[in-house]
Amino acid sequence: GNSVTQMEGPVTLSEEAFLTINCTYTATGYPSLFWYVQYPGEGLQLLLKATKADDKGSNKGFEATYRKETTSFHLEKGSVQVSDSAVYFCALEETSGSRLTFGEGTQLTVNP
Amino acid sequence: GAVVSQHPSRVICKSGTSVKIECRSLDFQATTMFWYRQFPKQSLMLMATSNEGSKATYEQGVEKDKFLINHASLTLSTLTVTSAHPEDSSFYICSARAYRGPSEQYFGPGTRLTVT
Repeated sequence: GNSVTQMEGPVTLSEEAFLTINCTYTATGYPSLFWYVQYPGEGLQLLLKATKADDKGSNKGFEATYRKETTSFHLEKGSVQVSDSAVYFCALEETSGSRLTFGEGTQLTVNP
Repeated sequence: GAVVSQHPSRVICKSGTSVKIECRSLDFQATTMFWYRQFPKQSLMLMATSNEGSKATYEQGVEKDKFLINHASLTLSTLTVTSAHPEDSSFYICSARAYRGPSEQYFGPGTRLTVT
């Protein structure tokens, strides 16, 4: 079956540091890949997505590239801010309209 | 656009009572709505998928008689936790997929249920 594995957290960084959160996946087909962000006490917001190999999703300074050869979709940001503190979830959708499979989530804390 | 609301945002109920949580798509019609449960510091667990006008499809291990899901219209789905117990306390999140356009799921803000 499908699965998503994220790097274990929590991750604590200083403001303006570089961020990487690793995500790898297992899927039988060619899934779409997503990063969602969850702020405390809230639901999930789509951060970025990529629908095919070598696509790069980007939003709010965050980027992730769909790497089929390494089955990865690592999230990066060059300079994090305190406001980026949240839980980040990597997810895949095997086919358009099918269910989402989530990773475990990674708690990010950015200190001023 | 693509806003999903949930009501209530927080609810406290006594053990043995039932509580209903509403999930609404405010500016689009949702063919499919999903209900998730999230435990503290854990990922989302899909409980069930509901399609408008038909019975919900429950994930393995989810009691359909305890977690009643109704999707009566293209903009509303409800989750009723029947005979709630303290172990049902959790964060419940719904998401909705649009009837037309992109197949992206839009998530509600979640409902914190506490059973005392």
